[in-house]
Amino acid sequence: DIVMTQSPHSLAVSLGERATINCKSSQSVLYNSNSKNFLAWYQQKPRQPPKLLISWASTRESGVPDRFSGSGSGTDFTLTISSLQAEDVAVYFCQQYYITPPTFGGGTKVEI
Amino acid sequence: QVQLVQSGAEVKKPGASVRVSCKASGYTFSLYYMHWVRQAPGQGLEWMGVINPAGGSTNYAQKFQDRVTVTRDTSTSTVYVEVTTLRSEDTAIYYCVRGGRSWGSPFDSWGQGTLVTVSS
Repeated sequence: DIVMTQSPHSLAVSLGERATINCKSSQSVLYNSNSKNFLAWYQQKPRQPPKLLISWASTRESGVPDRFSGSGSGTDFTLTISSLQAEDVAVYFCQQYYITPPTFGGGTKVEI
Repeated sequence: QVQLVQSGAEVKKPGASVRVSCKASGYTFSLYYMHWVRQAPGQGLEWMGVINPAGGSTNYAQKFQDRVTVTRDTSTSTVYVEVTTLRSEDTAIYYCVRGGRSWGSPFDSWGQGTLVTVSS
């Protein structure tokens, strides 16, 4: 199985400041034939199911604010919240869907 | 819009079985894979298995091969997961999650979750 390792486990950021979350996969999730990274980011607010924010490492889902951005390739990925808002308090998970079983990182809790 | 509505919370004794349902609407049911993911209290996300609603083929995480069965009813656009021989470690929220039209797609819609509590 591909192991997804997120860091940090938690971070506290002031309103309006940048938050950066890292995700590392134990093997590459880049499919060379189409140059796509099979990597997604999810946001989970308390008492809610996760919500897909970013797919293919950097493609924001419809309706996701542009302060959220994803970057990286191969085995190293980053989710950046450029200007943290109060409603961004949540746990963020990365996931690879390149190889079965799809696997998730352990999550990063973002607080104000 | 895509909606996945799951059945209500369950309380079961160790050794019992549980079946959770997930009714899909707002899209063509047979075209999208449906996964089951669980989350133990305060923990991360664990993929359990997937079904192709068109033909009914399934694939399971190795740790669940012997105890989990995913089925579907195309007439009602409903997917089910059954977990047998429950133990306390199975206490979790169980989510049905829509995948893509092809293998290797992100999980774009989640059910509201069903809490299964295993306790004597």
